Amino acid sequence: DIQMTQSPSFLSASVGDRVTINCKASQNINKYLNWYQQKLGEAPKRLIYNTNNLQTGIPSRFSGSGSGTDYTLTISSLQPEDFATYFCLQHNSLDTFGAGTKLELK
Amino acid sequence: QVQLKESGPGLVQPSQTLSLTCTVSGFSLSSYGVIWVRQPPGKGLEWMGVIWGNGNTNYNSALKSRLSISRDTSKSQVYLKMNSLQTEDTATYYCARDSRTGPDYWGQGVMVTVSS
Repeated sequence: DIQMTQSPSFLSASVGDRVTINCKASQNINKYLNWYQQKLGEAPKRLIYNTNNLQTGIPSRFSGSGSGTDYTLTISSLQPEDFATYFCLQHNSLDTFGAGTKLELK
Repeated sequence: QVQLKESGPGLVQPSQTLSLTCTVSGFSLSSYGVIWVRQPPGKGLEWMGVIWGNGNTNYNSALKSRLSISRDTSKSQVYLKMNSLQTEDTATYYCARDSRTGPDYWGQGVMVTVSS
């Protein structure tokens, strides 16, 4: 089974900040890496698929990068509605989620 | 449009079997997979298993001995059955459509509490 290590677990930031969240896979996942946002009491919402493809309707301040085992989600300028929990997911071999990053207002 | 909706009992007794239904619309179960994911209160997401468009299944190795996923394409429904429930199985259970780009559309989730 592929393991996903996501960091950091918690991130404190301010509106307008640039933030990055990382996921490391236990083996090469061939860019089959998605990012999801989850707000309290809601289902996850897909932001990015296959490393760097922006889901329709998602603002361009969200971007993804990476290859091999290392992947990054970047939010270029935090907006108030971005404070939420973010999860990565690999779908190269079945599916595995990262443990999540809770993004909080500083 | 694509929609998924989970349904099932909100409360299950320890050692009993959980049965959940995911009713889908806007796509064919013969063309897409459906996954089940759960989330204990305040914790992260756990992938449980998938039923593929061809009807084959794969399960999380940690749950494999207790879990079964099946479907009825004529009813556009996917079913989850998990036996020997314990309190640690208390969670919100989600179904989601699995496409070639990974899970895309999600249901709203159903909260299941395991308690006597």
